[in-house]
Amino acid sequence: GAVVSQHPSRVICKSGTSVKIECRSLDFQATTMFWYRQFPKKSLMLMATSNEGSKATYEQGVEKDKFLINHASLTLSTLTVTSAHPEDSSFYICSAYLAGTYEQYFGPGTRLTVT
Amino acid sequence: AQKITQTQPGMFVQEKEAVTLDCTYDTSDPSYGLFWYKQPSSGEMIFLIYQGSYDQQNATEGRYSLNFQKARKSANLVISASQLGDSAMYFCAMREDDTGRRALTFGSGTRLQVQP
Repeated sequence: GAVVSQHPSRVICKSGTSVKIECRSLDFQATTMFWYRQFPKKSLMLMATSNEGSKATYEQGVEKDKFLINHASLTLSTLTVTSAHPEDSSFYICSAYLAGTYEQYFGPGTRLTVT
Repeated sequence: AQKITQTQPGMFVQEKEAVTLDCTYDTSDPSYGLFWYKQPSSGEMIFLIYQGSYDQQNATEGRYSLNFQKARKSANLVISASQLGDSAMYFCAMREDDTGRRALTFGSGTRLQVQP
C-alpha cells in the first residue's frame, strides 16, 4: 500500500518554543491530508484538514494561530505548534487521502513532549 | 450524539479463539464508509478492513471480517483464530460521504488482550 512518513517521530521541546512536524506521502500525490491528535489512552481527534494550495480547515476548538498548517506541495503538509506549552504534549498523526479511492494512509505519528 | 460508539473498553480472548469487537454508528448520510484500524503500542495506525454503506456483502480480509448490519447501524469486527500479536487497541471509524468531508471520525477504541 501507499506510504506516509512523518518526521520527527519524537520531539522534546521547551515551553514557549515552536515545533514543526512534517507529513509526506512518499509514493502518491495527496491533495488532502488530515492532522489528528491523540491523548494517552484516548481516541484520535481531527484537528484540521490540510488542502494543497489553500488554507487549512480547522475543527471547532482548534486554534489556527497555534497550530499552523501548510500544504505547499502535493506530497508535503506541515504542522507547526507555535509557542508550545506542556498541555500541547500529545501524539500527532497525519493521514493522506488517496483521491478516487476510499483509502486513507496514516503516518507513524509524532510524539511531542513539551517541558 | 456520538457518531461512533465502541462500548467495550477492554476485551480478553484466548489464543486461537475468535473475538468480536463491537461498533455502532450514527449517521443520516446514505453514503458512508466504515473502517477498522489496529493501533499497537508503537502508535501506528494499521488499516484492517473497510465496508462501504452500499456494499451488499460483509467485508473480509484474511482473519478479519466485518459483520455489517445496516438496519441496526452496527459494524462489528470479528477476528478469527486470535494470535498473541493481535493484542492492541482497535478503533472503528466512519467517513460520511455526503458532507464532502473525507476525514474519519473515530470511536473510543477497544483494547484487546490475547492470552496464551
